[in-house]
Amino acid sequence: NAGVTQTPKFQVLKTGQSMTLQCAQDMNHEYMSWYRQDPGMGLRLIHYSVGAGITDQGEVPNGYNVSRSTTEDFPLRLLSAAPSQTSVYFCASSYRGRETQYFGPGTRLLVL
Amino acid sequence: GIQVEQSPPDLILQEGANSTLRCNFSDSVNNLQWFHQNPWGQLINLFYIPSGTKQNGRLSATTVATERYSLLYISSSQTTDSGVYFCAVVFYNQGGKLIFGQGTELSVKP
Repeated sequence: NAGVTQTPKFQVLKTGQSMTLQCAQDMNHEYMSWYRQDPGMGLRLIHYSVGAGITDQGEVPNGYNVSRSTTEDFPLRLLSAAPSQTSVYFCASSYRGRETQYFGPGTRLLVL
Repeated sequence: GIQVEQSPPDLILQEGANSTLRCNFSDSVNNLQWFHQNPWGQLINLFYIPSGTKQNGRLSATTVATERYSLLYISSSQTTDSGVYFCAVVFYNQGGKLIFGQGTELSVKP
């Protein structure tokens, strides 16, 4: 199993540009989520999904959209990037939210 | 909302020393997870521990849910133990949402 994979590893955007961060898992996990990590801080939840077609907001959802059309994939969309979205983004998954969560390697995003 | 506090914020050890990291949380939680973030930024699962004690090699963790704290023990530390240790409390009714502490940055010197 590849586990949780994320692409790209690193991205530079200009203010106002849009992009999609990709996340995939091959463990047949129902629950997937996106977190962001800012310097000197722990991770904060952006959006999560409890299954295909079902998503909900976390602590810091503004400026981000998600959808879940398949069990395997959970992309995160930045509609109009802002410098405040400069961060490291982690995707995570677990079987049904009551077990260990597994994290991807992260995507470093710089918005100029 | 719930507060998750870790101590100490920073720790420097000589190789071979032992250490205890603490995680306090302000309200009842469903579960608790410990992670190690290595110097390359990768988050590695250590323990998923709602209560009691678990051990994995040189690491062990104890959670006392009734008193709202968890401890991570590292024995005979090695330079590869360096990095940031996070605890995170888990909420089942929000997709397994994790609320993270601020982390303890550990540096193990040879």
